[in-house]
Amino acid sequence: QQQVKQSPQSLIVQKGGISIINCAYENTAFDYFPWYQQFPGKGPALLIAIRPDVSEKKEGRFTISFNKSAKQFSLHIMDSQPGDSATYFCAARYTGTASKLTFGTGTRLQVTL
Amino acid sequence: EAGVAQSPRYKIIEKRQSVAFWCNPISGHATLYWYQQILGQGPKLLIQFQNNGVVDDSQLPKDRFSAERLKGVDSTLKIQPAKLEDSAVYLCASSLGPGRGYEQYFGPGTRLTVT
Repeated sequence: QQQVKQSPQSLIVQKGGISIINCAYENTAFDYFPWYQQFPGKGPALLIAIRPDVSEKKEGRFTISFNKSAKQFSLHIMDSQPGDSATYFCAARYTGTASKLTFGTGTRLQVTL
Repeated sequence: EAGVAQSPRYKIIEKRQSVAFWCNPISGHATLYWYQQILGQGPKLLIQFQNNGVVDDSQLPKDRFSAERLKGVDSTLKIQPAKLEDSAVYLCASSLGPGRGYEQYFGPGTRLTVT
């Protein structure tokens, strides 16, 4: 049972454009929603994270929008750059289970010149 | 600060053979995780250690997979015997632990190919 659904599977954006990746979750016990960035041959690295009591969090060009009632959250990458080309994973953590993360299936982003 | 170290980086074995992966977490990190990442999918937690005790191994195929974290530092993950469907990247991650920090830091992974 996939508890975190991510879309799209792949995304092509022109340099300077906005990249938007969406995730939906089912379990209301999730209390922490991070986004990870993964380059080929590397492990995932934490990009930005949000808790459900906040509707938006911004760090530089990266913004998470969170809709608790809809059980959805999204990553926006403003002014997308070729260096942002990577695979992005959303994830969610269960309440009360320390730091166990459930990951989405990933979005492969390509930023073209 | 040194990151999470893993070895080997790549391994090719035949089905029914055995294989072992090694992980050295960030110094001082009490919690260690092993994930399996199949091509085109997100990482799936196999086992989580808190110091040298197992916190969660609910998704570990215990008939063929085993893991240990002796002395609460380094960890090894073993597969015996390997199946074709075990082909994946095996990621190790660590975090400070309860009350100190839950952010997980990942190593580069070991890419396993079972032929």
